[in-house]
Amino acid sequence: DVKVTQSSRYLVKRTGEKVFLECVQDMDHENMFWYRQDPGLGLRLIYFSYDVKMKEKGDIPEGYSVSREKKERFSLILESASTNQTSMYLCATINRRTSTDTQYFGPGTRLTVL
Amino acid sequence: QKEVEQNSGPLSVPEGAIASLNCTYSDRGSQSFFWYRQYSGKSPELIMFIYSNGDKEDGRFTAQLNKASQYVSLLIRDSQPSDSATYLCAVKPSEGNKLVFGAGTILRVKS
Repeated sequence: DVKVTQSSRYLVKRTGEKVFLECVQDMDHENMFWYRQDPGLGLRLIYFSYDVKMKEKGDIPEGYSVSREKKERFSLILESASTNQTSMYLCATINRRTSTDTQYFGPGTRLTVL
Repeated sequence: QKEVEQNSGPLSVPEGAIASLNCTYSDRGSQSFFWYRQYSGKSPELIMFIYSNGDKEDGRFTAQLNKASQYVSLLIRDSQPSDSATYLCAVKPSEGNKLVFGAGTILRVKS
C-alpha cells in the first residue's frame, strides 16, 4: 500500500510566521503535489514536483514556495503566514511508472493562522 | 481554463436506493477520469478510475463515461449511510500531468 504522511494533522500559527509543512512518501514515486482545500472551492493545486529539485507552479502559488531535496520528501513553505492561508493542506503523489495517474493523498494538515 | 463541474448538493437518497452523481468537464481531449470519496475531516480516497467510454463496475459502484457529451457519472447501488460523504470528480486534461478536481457533491444517505 502507498503510504503518504504529513508532518502535522493540526497546526496553529500567527500572522507573519514562517510555516513548514512536510510530506513524505515511501513508494519511490516521482510526482508529488501540494493542494489546499477550502469549502466551496474544492482542491486547488499550489505546487507540484516531477523529481528531486524540480518544481512547477500550480494554479495558486502566490505566498507559497516548495522544496524537494530528496525524492521521498516534498515541503511546502509559507514564507510569511497570513490569515487567508488558513485552510486544509493536502499532499498527494503519483507513480508515473504505472499506467494509471491515480493520486494518493496524505491525511492532510489543517492550518489555522491567527 | 480547464474546468470540472459538479452539483454541490447535498444529494439526499434513502438507504438502499441508487445514488447518481454527475460531473461535466470542458477539455474535450481529457484522458483519464477519477472518482474520490472524502469523509468530513479526512483526505480523499480513490473509488474508481475510468479511461474508456462506457461503464466500469466495481462492487456497488459503477462509473460511466461519455466523452462525446463530456460527462462522467458515478452510480452507487444499494446506498448505505456509510456512503454519506463528499464525492470528488477529477479529470486529467489533454496536456500536462495535473489533475483538475471538481468542487465535490455532498451525498447524504438516510436510514
